[in-house]
Amino acid sequence: GEDVEQSLFLSVREGDSSVINCTYTDSSSTYLYWYKQEPGAGLQLLTYIFSNMDMKQDQRLTVLLNKKDKHLSLRIADTQTGDSAIYFCAETVYGGSQGNLIFGKGTKLSVKP
Amino acid sequence: DTGVSQNPRHKITKRGQNVTFRCDPISEHNRLYWYRQTLGQGPEFLTYFQNEAQLEKSRLLSDRFSAERPKGSFSTLEIQRTEQGDSAMYLCASSSVRAREQYFGPGTRLTVT
Repeated sequence: GEDVEQSLFLSVREGDSSVINCTYTDSSSTYLYWYKQEPGAGLQLLTYIFSNMDMKQDQRLTVLLNKKDKHLSLRIADTQTGDSAIYFCAETVYGGSQGNLIFGKGTKLSVKP
Repeated sequence: DTGVSQNPRHKITKRGQNVTFRCDPISEHNRLYWYRQTLGQGPEFLTYFQNEAQLEKSRLLSDRFSAERPKGSFSTLEIQRTEQGDSAMYLCASSSVRAREQYFGPGTRLTVT
């Protein structure tokens, strides 16, 4: 079945780059997502990529996809204290009708000033 | 604000009581999803609607849980005879049929005492 795994913690200094990693198991055509969750809040969609793409860039965010290794990463350039949050990787398979998301457990990013 | 809204934001109830949560999706979105998130975990899919039809239910959705989406607009999630294990954040998301993005509401945090 589908499974998404992430490392649980990452600590960086303000101004550095952060790289959050994720692995997934489903080999079907899929969309892969990054969501951000701040304490007590819902999930904010940051970006997503289709599995036939290698890279997607959006301002400070760069998503890299290695489809062979089923490895997804999110790079945040010039990390700020406001980026401190939990980042979730998620996948979905479109071929059926539902498109529900399967999430990892989240990576808690701590940014130190 | 045209985002997904959820009410109430917090609910404290005694074990054995029934509770009902409401989700108002983004107005033009015809897909609506419910997820549950427990502490330290990623959200887990519960059920999904396309318009008023409930098309998918997770095995997590026991017979004490029921969801409706009359007229294909807002949705309600009811939990009967609540148990302490039902304590979690209940998240609602919506999307359009063609788009791949799911947008989440702020969630309803349920505490069962």
